[in-house]
Amino acid sequence: EVQLVESGGGVVRPGGSLRLSCAASGFTFDDYGMSWVRQAPGKGLEWVSGINWNGGSTGYADSVKGRFTISRDNAKNSLYLQMNSLRAEDTALYHCARELPAAPGAFDIWGQGTMVTVSS
Amino acid sequence: QSVLTQPPSVSGAPGQRVTISCTGSSSNIGAGYDVHWYQQLPGTAPKLLIYGNSNRPSGVPDRFSGSKSGTSASLAISGLQAEDEADYYCQSYDSSLSGPYVFGTGTKVTVL
Repeated sequence: EVQLVESGGGVVRPGGSLRLSCAASGFTFDDYGMSWVRQAPGKGLEWVSGINWNGGSTGYADSVKGRFTISRDNAKNSLYLQMNSLRAEDTALYHCARELPAAPGAFDIWGQGTMVTVSS
Repeated sequence: QSVLTQPPSVSGAPGQRVTISCTGSSSNIGAGYDVHWYQQLPGTAPKLLIYGNSNRPSGVPDRFSGSKSGTSASLAISGLQAEDEADYYCQSYDSSLSGPYVFGTGTKVTVL
């Protein structure tokens, strides 16, 4: 079964750090670009960051640029998001998502998400 | 503030046809970039419904169809069913943003 499972979320104080992980299974991980997409409580979807198949190209939303770093370890079939200098507005459910090779930017497989709460 | 605008809500009776618009600009949809659509049922992760403007992934009923024209795109749901009650999001690429992918504001579909 094709699956993405996120972990690493939790409660952190403003200015703190967290590292999210996404474990992939059921497909050849290094054939795909991957992204992180978040959803604040009661709000819409926001693309956060993306990485190509070998980690050679990355992109970030303006709202997280300079604070978040995306990476991947193809040997471990894993995607990561290092989040530093966290703010209250970063509170959200963070999903990892697989990008459809035939349609860049289309995410065909999603994890259930891991919740990040930034609060003092 | 998203650069892709959708109506907050649309509604229809079972069996009816509803459409959801996604209005962009010359830096995204109008520049020729593809539009994708997602369905998000309550409490679940989004599901890809349409990719590349009008293509359905395997398993998506043909009641769902997508189109694009100019700076806008549309998702149509024909033969509306109770299980179609969900939030729907469009998505595209925007050349004016440093992070290229952008989602629409989202539309809640209610089946009356």
